[in-house]
Amino acid sequence: AQSVTQPDIHITVSEGASLELRCNYSYGATPYLFWYVQSPGQGLQLLLKYFSGDTLVQGIKGFEAEFKRSQSSFNLRKPSVHWSDAAEYFCAVGLQTGANNLFFGTGTRLTVIP
Amino acid sequence: ETGVTQTPRHLVMGMTNKKSLKCEQHLGHNAMYWYKQSAKKPLELMFVYSLEERVENNSVPSRFSPECPNSSHLFLHLHTLQPEDSALYLCASSQDGDPLYQQFFGPGTRLTVL
Repeated sequence: AQSVTQPDIHITVSEGASLELRCNYSYGATPYLFWYVQSPGQGLQLLLKYFSGDTLVQGIKGFEAEFKRSQSSFNLRKPSVHWSDAAEYFCAVGLQTGANNLFFGTGTRLTVIP
Repeated sequence: ETGVTQTPRHLVMGMTNKKSLKCEQHLGHNAMYWYKQSAKKPLELMFVYSLEERVENNSVPSRFSPECPNSSHLFLHLHTLQPEDSALYLCASSQDGDPLYQQFFGPGTRLTVL
């Protein structure tokens, strides 16, 4: 069965510092991979996605993620964090067949300190 | 209105009440979804509708009853809920039920069952 693991429940970084949020997945084939962000009181917003091709994908708000098949990982990165990036971040796996089901990790809450 | 809207944003109900959550999408999409977001648990897919027909039901208790009268509207009817059903209920839509199509999320309804 497919699963998504986000090992960090909560991360605190200083504004301007770099950020990496970890995501590992378990799935028998190459999945579709997504990162979503959820600000307080808001729904989820898609940051970026990987379907195929170049394993380094660029997203909105200066985020990028790299798919590493050998490590079953899809870590999210940003070189310089802004205070407005404080939110909850979710990694998700989508299956290539069947209905448009997304399987989510438990999320990583990001706190940004001045 | 743009995007995906959900009403009400907050709902408090007793275990014997009957209530409904409403979702409306203004994106011209053909597929709609209900998710449950509980604290410290992954987002759980509850129901998927594609072209107004239910295509996925992830073993959700019968006290949750979805309705999709047309491609723009999705309801979740609630009756005799339990306190553990308290959660944030998110609605999403996508252009098609195919996994390639991005899901757009509403802001959610925060449900509290007393």
